Amino acid sequence: GAVVSQHPSRVICKSGTSVKIECRSLDFQATTMFWYRQFPKQSLMLMATSNEGSKATYEQGVEKDKFLINHASLTLSTLTVTSAHPEDSSFYICSALVINEKLFFGSGTQLSVL
Amino acid sequence: SQQGEEDPQALSIQEGENATMNCSYKTSINNLQWYRQNSGRGLVHLILIRSNEREKHSGRLRVTLDTSKKSSSLLITASRAADTASYFCATEIRGNDMRFGAGTRLTVKP
Repeated sequence: GAVVSQHPSRVICKSGTSVKIECRSLDFQATTMFWYRQFPKQSLMLMATSNEGSKATYEQGVEKDKFLINHASLTLSTLTVTSAHPEDSSFYICSALVINEKLFFGSGTQLSVL
Repeated sequence: SQQGEEDPQALSIQEGENATMNCSYKTSINNLQWYRQNSGRGLVHLILIRSNEREKHSGRLRVTLDTSKKSSSLLITASRAADTASYFCATEIRGNDMRFGAGTRLTVKP
């Protein structure tokens, strides 16, 4: 099946720094990618929908200046957590929509902000 | 990467019938979650069942978990055309890492 590569898998950073997470579709083109975050013991929360070549659509309550999403090509979407703070510590996961509307998931990124 | 496997991959039923989807996984889990994906949209959370629970209900949804068999099932009773979607199971393993199955595509015919 299709493969979505997400990295880094884990990152630890200092408060105030920015962290970039990449989500790459390896053997298919993804016109749409989704970004989610999960707090411990809770369900995934959709953060934004990323369409290639256009601005991402953010869910209510998600700060677009805080979580920068770039979908510059059909195989790559990035999520940058700017000026990260401890409350941004979370598990972030991307998923990519294939043309037949099947959804494939990255392996997730565990972000810890000290 | 994906751990769970849903079956069937696709399911087509008539409105009013029940739909049952199964999910199997390989490693020990903290909890298992079911999500729904409408066409072209992101995931919507349906139910979370913890590893020490065996059954949970939410409206027309019933989820069971058998940790000895490493499997779960999602039952949708009295299905409606609006239930047409893809359904995914996700297992939370160590920490809060999550692994997803490939999904079951449910079609409910009016």
